[in-house]
Amino acid sequence: EAQVTQNPRYLITVTGKKLTVTCSQNMNHEYMSWYRQDPGLGLRQIYYSMNVEVTDKGDVPEGYKVSRKEKRNFPLILESPSPNQTSLYFCASSQTRERSQETQYFGPGTRLLVL
Amino acid sequence: QKEVEQDPGPLSVPEGAIVSLNCTYSNSAFQYFMWYRQYSRKGPELLMYTYSSGNKEDGRFTAQVDKSSKYISLFIRDSQPSDSATYLCAMTRGSSASKIIFGSGTRLSIRP
Repeated sequence: EAQVTQNPRYLITVTGKKLTVTCSQNMNHEYMSWYRQDPGLGLRQIYYSMNVEVTDKGDVPEGYKVSRKEKRNFPLILESPSPNQTSLYFCASSQTRERSQETQYFGPGTRLLVL
Repeated sequence: QKEVEQDPGPLSVPEGAIVSLNCTYSNSAFQYFMWYRQYSRKGPELLMYTYSSGNKEDGRFTAQVDKSSKYISLFIRDSQPSDSATYLCAMTRGSSASKIIFGSGTRLSIRP
Protein backbone atom coordinates (compact mmCIF):
# COMPACT_ATOMS: atom_id res chain seq x y z
CA GLU A 1 0.00 0.00 0.00
CA ALA A 2 1.32 3.42 -0.98
CA GLN A 3 1.69 5.49 2.13
CA VAL A 4 3.54 8.04 4.21
CA THR A 5 4.23 6.95 7.76
CA GLN A 6 5.19 9.08 10.73
CA ASN A 7 6.43 8.15 14.18
CA PRO A 8 5.57 8.75 16.89
CA ARG A 9 1.91 9.69 16.44
CA TYR A 10 1.72 11.35 19.84
CA LEU A 11 4.55 12.81 21.90
CA ILE A 12 4.72 14.74 25.16
CA THR A 13 8.10 16.19 26.03
CA VAL A 14 9.68 18.93 28.08
CA THR A 15 11.37 22.14 27.01
CA GLY A 16 14.89 21.61 25.76
CA LYS A 17 14.82 17.84 25.31
CA LYS A 18 15.88 16.99 21.78
CA LEU A 19 13.48 14.91 19.75
CA THR A 20 13.13 13.47 16.28
CA VAL A 21 9.97 12.73 14.35
CA THR A 22 10.50 10.22 11.60
CA CYS A 23 8.82 10.23 8.19
CA SER A 24 9.04 7.54 5.58
CA GLN A 25 7.37 7.04 2.19
CA ASN A 26 7.27 3.94 0.00
CA MET A 27 6.34 5.58 -3.29
CA ASN A 28 9.86 6.52 -4.45
CA HIS A 29 8.87 10.18 -4.32
CA GLU A 30 11.51 12.82 -4.86
CA TYR A 31 9.82 15.65 -3.03
CA MET A 32 9.13 15.58 0.70
CA SER A 33 7.93 18.26 3.04
CA TRP A 34 7.09 18.98 6.68
CA TYR A 35 4.14 21.10 7.78
CA ARG A 36 2.73 22.18 11.07
CA GLN A 37 -0.98 22.76 11.56
CA ASP A 38 -2.26 25.18 14.17
CA PRO A 39 -5.85 26.34 14.80
CA GLY A 40 -6.78 29.29 12.62
CA LEU A 41 -3.44 29.21 10.77
CA GLY A 42 -3.87 26.28 8.45
CA LEU A 43 -0.90 24.26 7.26
CA ARG A 44 2.44 26.05 7.22
CA GLN A 45 5.48 24.58 5.60
CA ILE A 46 8.54 24.08 7.81
CA TYR A 47 11.13 22.53 5.49
CA TYR A 48 11.09 20.70 2.21
CA SER A 49 13.44 18.50 0.22
CA MET A 50 13.60 18.28 -3.56
CA ASN A 51 15.74 15.13 -3.45
CA VAL A 52 18.45 13.33 -1.47
CA GLU A 53 20.82 15.79 0.22
CA VAL A 54 18.77 18.77 -1.04
CA THR A 55 16.74 20.60 1.60
CA ASP A 56 15.42 24.13 1.94
CA LYS A 57 13.49 26.29 4.36
CA GLY A 58 9.77 26.76 4.19
CA ASP A 59 7.74 29.47 5.91
CA VAL A 60 8.47 28.61 9.55
CA PRO A 61 11.87 26.87 9.81
CA GLU A 62 13.05 28.43 13.09
CA GLY A 63 13.76 25.82 15.75
CA TYR A 64 13.71 22.87 13.33
CA LYS A 65 16.25 20.85 11.40
CA VAL A 66 15.86 18.20 8.72
CA SER A 67 18.03 15.80 6.80
CA ARG A 68 17.53 13.74 3.65
CA LYS A 69 20.17 11.04 3.49
CA GLU A 70 17.89 8.51 1.82
CA LYS A 71 15.11 9.07 -0.66
CA ARG A 72 12.44 7.42 1.47
CA ASN A 73 13.18 9.12 4.81
CA PHE A 74 12.89 12.74 5.90
CA PRO A 75 13.19 13.13 9.69
CA LEU A 76 12.26 16.35 11.50
CA ILE A 77 14.54 17.28 14.38
CA LEU A 78 13.78 19.66 17.22
CA GLU A 79 17.12 20.30 18.91
CA SER A 80 15.69 22.26 21.83
CA PRO A 81 11.89 22.17 21.77
CA SER A 82 9.91 25.05 23.20
CA PRO A 83 6.21 25.31 24.11
CA ASN A 84 5.46 27.33 20.96
CA GLN A 85 6.36 24.23 18.96
CA THR A 86 3.35 22.43 20.41
CA SER A 87 1.43 21.58 17.28
CA LEU A 88 0.19 18.93 14.87
CA TYR A 89 2.91 17.98 12.39
CA PHE A 90 2.43 16.44 8.97
CA CYS A 91 4.92 14.95 6.59
CA ALA A 92 4.02 14.91 2.89
CA SER A 93 5.55 13.60 -0.30
CA SER A 94 4.98 13.91 -3.99
CA GLN A 95 6.57 12.70 -7.20
CA THR A 96 8.25 16.01 -7.95
CA ARG A 97 8.02 19.57 -6.69
CA GLU A 98 6.41 20.57 -9.97
CA ARG A 99 3.64 18.06 -9.46
CA SER A 100 3.19 18.51 -5.74
CA GLN A 101 -0.10 20.27 -6.26
CA GLU A 102 -1.51 17.22 -8.02
CA THR A 103 -0.14 14.29 -6.12
CA GLN A 104 0.88 15.32 -2.62
CA TYR A 105 0.31 12.55 -0.07
CA PHE A 106 0.17 13.32 3.62
CA GLY A 107 1.12 11.18 6.59
CA PRO A 108 -1.28 10.63 9.52
CA GLY A 109 0.21 13.40 11.66
CA THR A 110 2.22 13.66 14.87
CA ARG A 111 0.69 15.53 17.77
CA LEU A 112 3.42 17.14 19.85
CA LEU A 113 3.03 18.75 23.26
CA VAL A 114 6.01 20.59 24.72
CA LEU A 115 5.68 21.37 28.41
CA GLN B 1 -3.74 40.19 5.57
CA LYS B 2 -3.39 36.48 4.86
CA GLU B 3 -2.73 35.39 1.27
CA VAL B 4 -5.61 32.92 1.48
CA GLU B 5 -8.75 33.49 3.53
CA GLN B 6 -11.17 30.73 4.43
CA ASP B 7 -14.16 30.86 6.75
CA PRO B 8 -13.41 28.43 9.60
CA GLY B 9 -17.06 27.52 10.18
CA PRO B 10 -18.27 25.30 11.64
CA LEU B 11 -20.84 24.74 8.96
CA SER B 12 -23.71 22.36 9.73
CA VAL B 13 -26.19 21.25 7.07
CA PRO B 14 -28.77 18.45 6.79
CA GLU B 15 -28.04 15.34 4.78
CA GLY B 16 -28.82 15.78 1.10
CA ALA B 17 -28.20 19.53 1.05
CA ILE B 18 -25.87 21.27 -1.37
CA VAL B 19 -22.78 22.57 0.41
CA SER B 20 -20.76 25.55 -0.78
CA LEU B 21 -17.26 26.09 0.60
CA ASN B 22 -15.24 29.12 -0.41
CA CYS B 23 -11.81 30.74 -0.29
CA THR B 24 -10.56 34.12 -1.37
CA TYR B 25 -6.97 34.97 -2.16
CA SER B 26 -4.87 38.02 -2.85
CA ASN B 27 -2.03 36.80 -5.10
CA SER B 28 -3.05 36.96 -8.76
CA ALA B 29 -0.06 34.74 -9.67
CA PHE B 30 -1.73 31.62 -8.28
CA GLN B 31 -2.45 29.14 -11.07
CA TYR B 32 -3.20 25.81 -9.38
CA PHE B 33 -6.04 25.49 -6.91
CA MET B 34 -6.66 22.49 -4.69
CA TRP B 35 -9.17 21.24 -2.20
CA TYR B 36 -8.14 18.86 0.54
CA ARG B 37 -10.40 16.91 2.87
CA GLN B 38 -9.18 16.17 6.39
CA TYR B 39 -11.01 13.76 8.66
CA SER B 40 -10.51 14.03 12.39
CA ARG B 41 -7.11 12.66 13.48
CA LYS B 42 -6.03 12.08 9.87
CA GLY B 43 -3.79 13.77 7.38
CA PRO B 44 -5.26 15.86 4.56
CA GLU B 45 -6.09 14.04 1.36
CA LEU B 46 -6.31 15.70 -2.03
CA LEU B 47 -9.91 15.91 -3.19
CA MET B 48 -9.65 17.98 -6.35
CA TYR B 49 -7.29 20.30 -8.15
CA THR B 50 -7.91 22.71 -10.99
CA TYR B 51 -5.66 24.75 -13.21
CA SER B 52 -6.53 28.40 -13.86
CA SER B 53 -10.18 29.46 -14.15
CA GLY B 54 -13.20 27.30 -14.78
CA ASN B 55 -15.09 24.39 -13.33
CA LYS B 56 -14.12 20.81 -12.66
CA GLU B 57 -16.56 18.09 -11.68
CA ASP B 58 -15.89 14.75 -10.02
CA GLY B 59 -18.94 12.84 -8.90
CA ARG B 60 -20.78 14.87 -6.28
CA PHE B 61 -17.97 17.43 -6.08
CA THR B 62 -17.49 20.51 -8.25
CA ALA B 63 -14.56 22.88 -7.96
CA GLN B 64 -14.94 26.36 -9.36
CA VAL B 65 -12.27 29.01 -9.87
CA ASP B 66 -12.94 32.66 -10.66
CA LYS B 67 -9.53 34.29 -11.10
CA SER B 68 -11.00 37.68 -11.91
CA SER B 69 -12.58 37.78 -8.46
CA LYS B 70 -9.78 35.78 -6.78
CA TYR B 71 -12.40 33.41 -5.46
CA ILE B 72 -12.62 29.62 -5.45
CA SER B 73 -15.46 27.34 -4.41
CA LEU B 74 -16.12 23.70 -3.73
CA PHE B 75 -19.68 22.45 -4.11
CA ILE B 76 -20.84 19.16 -2.65
CA ARG B 77 -24.14 17.83 -3.98
CA ASP B 78 -26.33 15.35 -2.12
CA SER B 79 -24.17 15.72 0.97
CA GLN B 80 -23.66 12.64 3.14
CA PRO B 81 -22.69 12.25 6.81
CA SER B 82 -19.42 10.76 5.53
CA ASP B 83 -18.62 14.18 4.04
CA SER B 84 -18.27 15.57 7.57
CA ALA B 85 -14.67 16.75 7.74
CA THR B 86 -12.51 19.84 7.56
CA TYR B 87 -11.98 21.13 4.03
CA LEU B 88 -8.83 23.06 3.22
CA CYS B 89 -8.27 25.07 0.10
CA ALA B 90 -4.73 25.43 -1.20
CA MET B 91 -3.07 27.18 -4.09
CA THR B 92 0.26 27.66 -5.78
CA ARG B 93 1.84 29.48 -8.68
CA GLY B 94 2.85 26.09 -9.97
CA SER B 95 6.47 26.76 -10.85
CA SER B 96 9.22 24.64 -9.38
CA ALA B 97 10.09 27.48 -7.01
CA SER B 98 6.60 28.16 -5.76
CA LYS B 99 5.18 27.06 -2.45
CA ILE B 100 1.71 25.85 -1.63
CA ILE B 101 -0.37 28.19 0.50
CA PHE B 102 -3.16 26.64 2.52
CA GLY B 103 -6.33 28.15 3.90
CA SER B 104 -7.08 27.57 7.56
CA GLY B 105 -9.87 25.09 6.77
CA THR B 106 -13.66 24.97 7.11
CA ARG B 107 -15.16 22.44 9.48
CA LEU B 108 -18.23 20.83 7.89
CA SER B 109 -20.84 18.69 9.64
CA ILE B 110 -23.61 16.86 7.77
CA ARG B 111 -26.56 16.04 10.02
CA PRO B 112 -28.33 12.71 9.26
